[in-house]
Amino acid sequence: GAVVSQHPSRVICKSGTSVKIECRSLDFQATTMFWYRQFPKQSLMLMATSNEGSKATYEQGVEKDKFLINHASLTLSTLTVTSAHPEDSSFYICSALWTGGVSEAFFGQGTRLTVV
Amino acid sequence: AQSVTQLGSHVSVSEGALVLLRCNYSSSVPPYLFWYVQYPNQGLQLLLKYTSAATLVKGINGFEAEFKKSETSFHLTKPSAHMSDAAEYFCAVSDQDNQGGKLIFGQGTELSVKP
Repeated sequence: GAVVSQHPSRVICKSGTSVKIECRSLDFQATTMFWYRQFPKQSLMLMATSNEGSKATYEQGVEKDKFLINHASLTLSTLTVTSAHPEDSSFYICSALWTGGVSEAFFGQGTRLTVV
Repeated sequence: AQSVTQLGSHVSVSEGALVLLRCNYSSSVPPYLFWYVQYPNQGLQLLLKYTSAATLVKGINGFEAEFKKSETSFHLTKPSAHMSDAAEYFCAVSDQDNQGGKLIFGQGTELSVKP
């Protein structure tokens, strides 16, 4: 099956700093990737849809200036949490849409962000 | 708009017993429905999906689910639970336009398997 790699798997940062999370499709090209956020013991909430070569589409209530998404190539999307605060601590998961036949989203391993 | 409701945030079964995880959906358009499994601190793995073909869908690891339009349900079952099935399970809905990419997830059900 298709592989999506997310890096880093864990990161701790200080309040006020920015953190970049990478999502790579290793063996296929993905024009569309998705970013989700998951709080402990809760479901995944879609944050934004990342489109290669164009601006991301953010879900209602998600601050686009705080969560910067860049999808500069067909295999890489990045999520930058700017000026992080403790309330941004969460598990962030990306997925990449494979459209080789019947479309399917493949998920990365997730990134545990802790802001101290 | 689409939504998913998973009945029961926590289900506990004995090893070898039937697993039944419930999922009801709401969708104004023909839905695509999915079940994913998540192990602690990991991403999601697709168990199975319904995309308007056969209503009984067989997935990996012995799981299957049946799409029932009249009941707006897509319950996940496995005849005999294994210890390795203990995990968090998510039901999700999408539609033809999003082709399984943009997913709306249910709240999740934690499955525990007792020896």
